[in-house]
Amino acid sequence: NAGVMQNPRHLVRRRGQEARLRCSPMKGHSHVYWYRQLPEEGLKFMVYLQKENIIDESGMPKERFSAEFPKEGPSILRIQQVVRGDSAAYFCASSPGLASGELFFGEGSRLTVL
Amino acid sequence: GQQVMQIPQYQHVQEGEDFTTYCNSSTTLSNIQWYKQRPGGHPVFLIQLVKSGEVKKQKRLTFQFGEAKKNSSLHITATQTTDVGTYFCAGLWDTGGFKTIFGAGTRLFVKA
Repeated sequence: NAGVMQNPRHLVRRRGQEARLRCSPMKGHSHVYWYRQLPEEGLKFMVYLQKENIIDESGMPKERFSAEFPKEGPSILRIQQVVRGDSAAYFCASSPGLASGELFFGEGSRLTVL
Repeated sequence: GQQVMQIPQYQHVQEGEDFTTYCNSSTTLSNIQWYKQRPGGHPVFLIQLVKSGEVKKQKRLTFQFGEAKKNSSLHITATQTTDVGTYFCAGLWDTGGFKTIFGAGTRLFVKA
């Protein structure tokens, strides 16, 4: 049973480019969370999605960031016109459903903006 | 908004010493979870506490949930070098749309 799959594991972008991070949840999981982690810091909540629906995006910057979880395919976190401050590890986690407890994390996508 | 405060930020111990990290919320939690993240790794679920006053043990790890469901602690007895990493508490609130909010974490260093 494959775990949460994230790709790419490492991504390098120049300022102004776009970054697309993908997350395939565990089989049978319909809920996806995205968290951002700066070096030596904690996990900052960004967005919580269900298939075709954004449940809570209160942690997402209003500009340049968007997330989706289509009916078919992985969840995607999209960062447009990246800046150096976007450099971080982006973790995706999945769960079976609301208030179901344990989050299963992927290995993260590490974005470096030059 | 909902948040959990976690202390200490760092803890250096000699192998064999005990270690405790604490989490506190200003509002009542639905449940609290604990995760461990090894350096360079991803968070891994350790346990979930749901009931007021709940105490759970996993070998040398003891987890507690306060009576008011506003605070929690993780205690490690006789630390080992394999305990190195960052320990995060994560809270869930009934009124928070069931999003899981993480504390800042306590980074544990163990000296052999």
